[in-house]
Amino acid sequence: DQQVKQNSPSLSVQEGRISILNCDYTNSMFDYFLWYKKYPAEGPTFLISISSIKDKNEDGRFTVFLNKSAKHLSLHIVPSQPGDSAVYFCAASYIAGGTSYGKLTFGQGTILTVHP
Amino acid sequence: DARVTQTPRHKVTEMGQEVTMRCQPILGHNTVFWYRQTMMQGLELLAYFRNRAPLDDSGMPKDRFSAEMPDATLATLKIQPSEPRDSAVYFCASGLVGGGEAFFGQGTRLTVV
Repeated sequence: DQQVKQNSPSLSVQEGRISILNCDYTNSMFDYFLWYKKYPAEGPTFLISISSIKDKNEDGRFTVFLNKSAKHLSLHIVPSQPGDSAVYFCAASYIAGGTSYGKLTFGQGTILTVHP
Repeated sequence: DARVTQTPRHKVTEMGQEVTMRCQPILGHNTVFWYRQTMMQGLELLAYFRNRAPLDDSGMPKDRFSAEMPDATLATLKIQPSEPRDSAVYFCASGLVGGGEAFFGQGTRLTVV
């Protein structure tokens, strides 16, 4: 049962344009959402996060949007750069408590390619 | 420079052999995760420890996989016996409960032939 889904395996974007990566989740108990970036032969690195009490969080070129009613989040990268080419994973967590407190559940990942 | 350290980085083994992967979490972190990266499943959670206690290992094939934390500085993932379908990259990550993100090691690339 895939609780976090990234339905687009890949995305190709021109340098300077906007990249939009999407993620859907099924468990309404998730209250914290994260995006990770992964380069080949390296571990994933944290990029940006958002709490369920917000609908937007911005950090430089990266903005994450959360639509709780649709159980959907997206990552916007503006402007996209060739160095952004990587696999992007979304993840969801519970930080409010319970047995699964702190557990991170990841999606399948989306390969982003930014062309010069 | 605090980081999660995984050993070995690469492992090639024959089917049926035992494989042990090790992880040193970041000092002070109280959650540890083991993930397996596959093409189809993305980052698949195998085990989750909080304060060294195993809280969730539902993603792990119980008949051949085991995960332990003998102390706060070491987490292990063992496969016995290994099979070709276990070939994947295994990641360890650590974090703080309530802190949100987890920090990943560089992974162990396992090839079972």
